[in-house]
Amino acid sequence: AQSVAQPEDQVNVAEGNPLTVKCTYSVSGNPYLFWYVQYPNRGLQFLLKYITGDNLVKGSYGFEAEFNKSQTSFHLKKPSALVSDSALYFCAVRDRAGGYNKLIFGAGTRLAVHP
Amino acid sequence: GAVVSQHPSWVICKSGTSVKIECRSLDFQATTMFWYRQFPKQSLMLMATSNEGSKATYEQGVEKDKFLINHASLTLSTLTVTSAHPEDSSFYICSARDPNRYQETQYFGPGTRLLVL
Repeated sequence: AQSVAQPEDQVNVAEGNPLTVKCTYSVSGNPYLFWYVQYPNRGLQFLLKYITGDNLVKGSYGFEAEFNKSQTSFHLKKPSALVSDSALYFCAVRDRAGGYNKLIFGAGTRLAVHP
Repeated sequence: GAVVSQHPSWVICKSGTSVKIECRSLDFQATTMFWYRQFPKQSLMLMATSNEGSKATYEQGVEKDKFLINHASLTLSTLTVTSAHPEDSSFYICSARDPNRYQETQYFGPGTRLLVL
């Protein structure tokens, strides 16, 4: 079965510093990977995805993610964090078990950006 | 971008009553919608995949008779929590795929918080 792991429950970053939110994956076949962000009491917002092509994927709000096949990782990054980036971030992988395209989510990482 | 709405945004009900949650795709037609459940400080758990015009596909461990899903049109899917109990209290989130965009991307509604007393 496809799965993703987010090893950190929380990441703390000072505003203006670069941030990284980690994600590793375990898949059979080519991975389809996603990052979503959730603000309090809200649904999820799509940030970016990796399907194929360049290993560095650029997404919304200045975020990017680097696909690393040898390390089976898909870490989310941003060069300069904003306080408004504070939210819950989910990594996800597509699972086609049962003939349907489903998303399997990681446990989530809470990002706290301090002024 | 693709917009998905949910109604209501929150609901409080008495134990034993049924609650219906609506999920609508506002600017696209969605042949497939998904229903998730999220407990506090936890990840999203897929409950079922809702396909327009056919029966929903439920994930293992999800009671079909407890969580009724109807996808009657290309823009509307409903989740009915029947005979709700306090343990059904949760945050329910739907998502939809836009067939005119990359089909692997799901667009999420804002969620519905259910509290069963």
